[in-house]
Amino acid sequence: KAGVTQTPRYLIKTRGQQVTLSCSPISGHRSVSWYQQTPGQGLQFLFEYFSETQRNKGNFPGRFSGRQFSNSRSEMNVSTLELGDSALYLCASSIRGPTTDTQYFGPGTRLTVL
Amino acid sequence: AQRVTQPEKLLSVFKGAPVELKCNYSYSGSPELFWYVQYSRQRLQLLLRHISRESIKGFTADLNKGETSFHLKKPFAQEEDSAMYYCALSQRNSGNTPLVFGKGTRLSVIA
Repeated sequence: KAGVTQTPRYLIKTRGQQVTLSCSPISGHRSVSWYQQTPGQGLQFLFEYFSETQRNKGNFPGRFSGRQFSNSRSEMNVSTLELGDSALYLCASSIRGPTTDTQYFGPGTRLTVL
Repeated sequence: AQRVTQPEKLLSVFKGAPVELKCNYSYSGSPELFWYVQYSRQRLQLLLRHISRESIKGFTADLNKGETSFHLKKPFAQEEDSAMYYCALSQRNSGNTPLVFGKGTRLSVIA
């Protein structure tokens, strides 16, 4: 089985711009979770989608949003980028969810905001 | 609020020595605990979960509710154990809830 894929792998944006990141889960996985990883804060949960519905949301401002398509692929969007949004964004997929099933992580998208 | 604390940022041990990576949690309900590992140039991956009560790559972890701990142990460290280890927590018996991760401990096994 192909693993979780994320595109693009690297991204450089300037403050005020917006960005869209994509995640393709493992075939058959309906749950996709997004995390932000920074040296200072570690891994922080952004949101989780299951069958096209946002099931859980972390404590991030409304500039961070996401969606999931019928084929379980997911996108996250960050609008009005700030310098502090520079981070590695990880997505992870699982069959039903990260608590009940093994969660498989993608390689991440490294976002740099200048 | 749920919180996971990994008190050591870096842990260095000699090959063949015992390893204990500490994890303490704060949660009033019934927790589900996990250990994730990230080897150099590899993806973050699940190592073990407390509910499975299994040993993976020689590692074990026991949930101690009295001490609110879930320390990861291995009797004899190997060089290939060098990696970043993350402890994570979610709510048990509440469906699928988000994972809260600790900030991680980097284990370095010295030959």
